[in-house]
Amino acid sequence: DIVMTQSPAILSVTPGDRVSLSCRASQSIGDYLHWYQQKSHESPRLLIKYTSQSISGIPSRFSGSGSGSDFTLSINSVDPEDVGVYYCQNGHSFPRTFGGGTKLEIK
Amino acid sequence: QVQLQQPGAELVKPGASVKLSCKASGYTFTNYWMHWVKQRPGQGLEWIGEINPYNGRTNYNEKFKNKATLTVDKSSSTAYMQLSSLTSADSAVYYCARFYYALDYWGQGTSVTVSS
Repeated sequence: DIVMTQSPAILSVTPGDRVSLSCRASQSIGDYLHWYQQKSHESPRLLIKYTSQSISGIPSRFSGSGSGSDFTLSINSVDPEDVGVYYCQNGHSFPRTFGGGTKLEIK
Repeated sequence: QVQLQQPGAELVKPGASVKLSCKASGYTFTNYWMHWVKQRPGQGLEWIGEINPYNGRTNYNEKFKNKATLTVDKSSSTAYMQLSSLTSADSAVYYCARFYYALDYWGQGTSVTVSS
């Protein structure tokens, strides 16, 4: 199985900060990497597909980059509503593993 | 609009089985694979498997091959996941999610509690 490792586990930020969340795959997955956001007591929501493709309805401050085995989700100017847990997912091979998540907190 | 409706909660006894439902609306059910994801309390997401509603073809996470069985009823646009031989380790929220290049729509999840 491909292991997805996210860092940091917890990120405490100030509104307006630009932040980067990391996701590393145990082997190359090309650009088959998706990002999800899960707010407290809600279902996950798709943020970014195929590393960097934007999703309708998602604020433009969210962007993705990377390839192969190293990926980054960037949030340009964090808003308090961005609090939650962010997960990356391997979309390349079975099983479609998720990373352990990065919890974003507001200071 | 796309909706995936799941019951809110199920209480089941250890050793029993449960069949979770996911009723789809707002799109052509047979055109999109349906995935299932497990989330234990306070934990991350775990991919269980996927089913093609058009032909019933499935792909499972090996970890869940003896635990979960995915089926569909095309006539009611409903996907099902049966979980067998339940233990406390199966207590979790189970989500269904539509796949269109990624998991673009998610149900609200069914909270399964295994308790005597």
